[in-house]
Amino acid sequence: AQKVTQAQTEISVVEKEDVTLDCVYETRDTTYYLFWYKQPPSGELVFLIRRNSFDEQNEISGRYSWNFQKSTSSFNFTITASQVVDSAVYFCALGHTGANSKLTFGKGITLSVRP
Amino acid sequence: DTGVSQDPRHKITKRGQNVTFRCDPISEHNRLYWYRQTLGQGPEFLTYFQNEAQLEKSRLLSDRFSAERPKGSFSTLEIQRTEQGDSAMYLCASSLSGWNEQFFGPGTRLTVL
Repeated sequence: AQKVTQAQTEISVVEKEDVTLDCVYETRDTTYYLFWYKQPPSGELVFLIRRNSFDEQNEISGRYSWNFQKSTSSFNFTITASQVVDSAVYFCALGHTGANSKLTFGKGITLSVRP
Repeated sequence: DTGVSQDPRHKITKRGQNVTFRCDPISEHNRLYWYRQTLGQGPEFLTYFQNEAQLEKSRLLSDRFSAERPKGSFSTLEIQRTEQGDSAMYLCASSLSGWNEQFFGPGTRLTVL
């Protein structure tokens, strides 16, 4: 069965601190995709990144970086120099193989960045 | 705005009533998904369309739920005889074929009294 675990439920940091959001996944598929989405208070899920199981290179996009480690089934997300606008719920998701590509989401991590 | 749109954004209904939600995907996307999100949880998959064909339904989708995507464009999700347990945010997403990312709409928040 496919499963995504986001063990942290709430994180609170002060602006400019670095913060890492953890994601651990379970799958028997050899080919799969991992995603991170952001859900700000307005409620709309915003796509952040997609990573396929064959590509373990870390990725950096501005203040965001992602660390994919297949050996530990983890896909962690780091925000450097956090800002108040980063306050949101962050979801890690696992894409199923097969025709439908449906997503299995974790329960999300609520990040609060205080000024 | 060329993103995914959903209507209505909020719906309050009494138990036992029928409700219908609409989703307009990004125009060139042939895949359309419905998810349900309850408080403190991540979205859960409900059903999926490839063009006009409904190819998968979750066991979460009881007989009271029905979804359509006529002509492979917009989609509707109907809930008959609503129950208080149906109260949730209903999210629609669309994507291109393959392993492309799904883009989500703003959701319809349903409250069943």
